[in-house]
Amino acid sequence: DVKVTQSSRYLVKRTGEKVFLECVQDMDHENMFWYRQDPGLGLRLIYFSYDVKMKEKGDIPEGYSVSREKKERFSLILESASTNQTSMYLCASSIVSYEQYFGPGTRLTVT
Amino acid sequence: KQEVTQIPAALSVPEGENLVLNCSFTDSAIYNLQWFRQDPGKGLTSLLLIQSSQREQTSGRLNASLDKSSGRSTLYIAASQPGDSATYLCAVPDTGRRALTFGSGTRLQVQP
Repeated sequence: DVKVTQSSRYLVKRTGEKVFLECVQDMDHENMFWYRQDPGLGLRLIYFSYDVKMKEKGDIPEGYSVSREKKERFSLILESASTNQTSMYLCASSIVSYEQYFGPGTRLTVT
Repeated sequence: KQEVTQIPAALSVPEGENLVLNCSFTDSAIYNLQWFRQDPGKGLTSLLLIQSSQREQTSGRLNASLDKSSGRSTLYIAASQPGDSATYLCAVPDTGRRALTFGSGTRLQVQP
């Protein structure tokens, strides 16, 4: 079974802090994705990566950056957390044209 | 830009009923469609993936169909159970990207 893990299920941070969300997959997938999910707005793509050190912006990249130094790991960085980044963050991985597999999610609260 | 719509937004049925969830998409040039389940506060669990060359895909009590030409997919759940209560999302690959565009989901409640 494919396994996608995320470093934290719940996280509480203060405004202005730098926040790191980690995602690891164990299936050698080329593609990895970060989405955020908000009530009434659904799932929106923040960034994705199709290879090590390669990244592309999604629909809402402002205030975020990403890092992919190893194929299995994709990190989302909030450079200076703000209250409007309070959300559920979901990581996913896939092979091109095949199923996307999601992690359990990280519920981030910024106070 | 691809848009995905799911109807109904919410559904409540008694245990044992068969039910159909609907998904429509605007750009029919897709290579697959995926159905997910999401329990409250949890991540997404993949239920079924239908490739563009397929018309149906089955897993247990679940059956998903795909009609690319009309831009529609349905998820049929047979003999519903309280454990089926969750939000069901459909998603298709973004036009020109590898990410998914999601519908807003159907929240299903199966009453015991």
